[in-house]
Amino acid sequence: GAVVSQHPSWVICKSGTSVKIECRSLDFQATTMFWYRQFPKQSLMLMATSNEGSKATYEQGVEKDKFLINHASLTLSTLTVTSAHPEDSSFYICSARDRPYATNEKLFFGSGTQLSVL
Amino acid sequence: QKEVEQNSGPLSVPEGAIASLNCTYSDRGSQSFFWYRQYSGKSPELIMFIYSNGDKEDGRFTAQLNKASQYVSLLIRDSQPSDSATYLCAVNAGYGGATNKLIFGTGTLLAVQP
Repeated sequence: GAVVSQHPSWVICKSGTSVKIECRSLDFQATTMFWYRQFPKQSLMLMATSNEGSKATYEQGVEKDKFLINHASLTLSTLTVTSAHPEDSSFYICSARDRPYATNEKLFFGSGTQLSVL
Repeated sequence: QKEVEQNSGPLSVPEGAIASLNCTYSDRGSQSFFWYRQYSGKSPELIMFIYSNGDKEDGRFTAQLNKASQYVSLLIRDSQPSDSATYLCAVNAGYGGATNKLIFGTGTLLAVQP
């Protein structure tokens, strides 16, 4: 199956710093990528949807200036958490599909990034 | 606000029994439904998807969909300790095109007792 590589797997940072998370599709072109956040014992909450070459579409309540998403190529999307604070500590997961209009049974998930902000 | 609801559990079943996981959704226009398995600290893994009313079987897993009742379930036959995980129900939101996205339920923790 298709592989989505996500890095780093975990990161610890000080409050006020910025953290970048990368999501790469290794053997397919990811025209659409999704970014999710998951707090302990809670479900995956969709943060934003990005299509290659376009601005990301953010879900209600997600600050676009705090969570910067770049999807400049068909194989790479990045999520930057700017000025991170302890409440941003969470498990962040990316997912990708190879066609913008595809149904979601062909959605491939990255391995996730555990962010801890001190 | 489109919602997907699941009982958080834990659902405890003995090894070899049938585990029944349930999910309800609020958007009557939803057309496709997914079950994912997630181990702690790992990303979700797709188990089943179903589009039509009725049952869909794949090995030990059966997905059941009732659109009139806005209800989808997952049955796991001959449960094994390795099935112990959180099972996430996901519903497709958006009506095609680039707005297609998955909305996840909170998940049900399944514990299969040896």
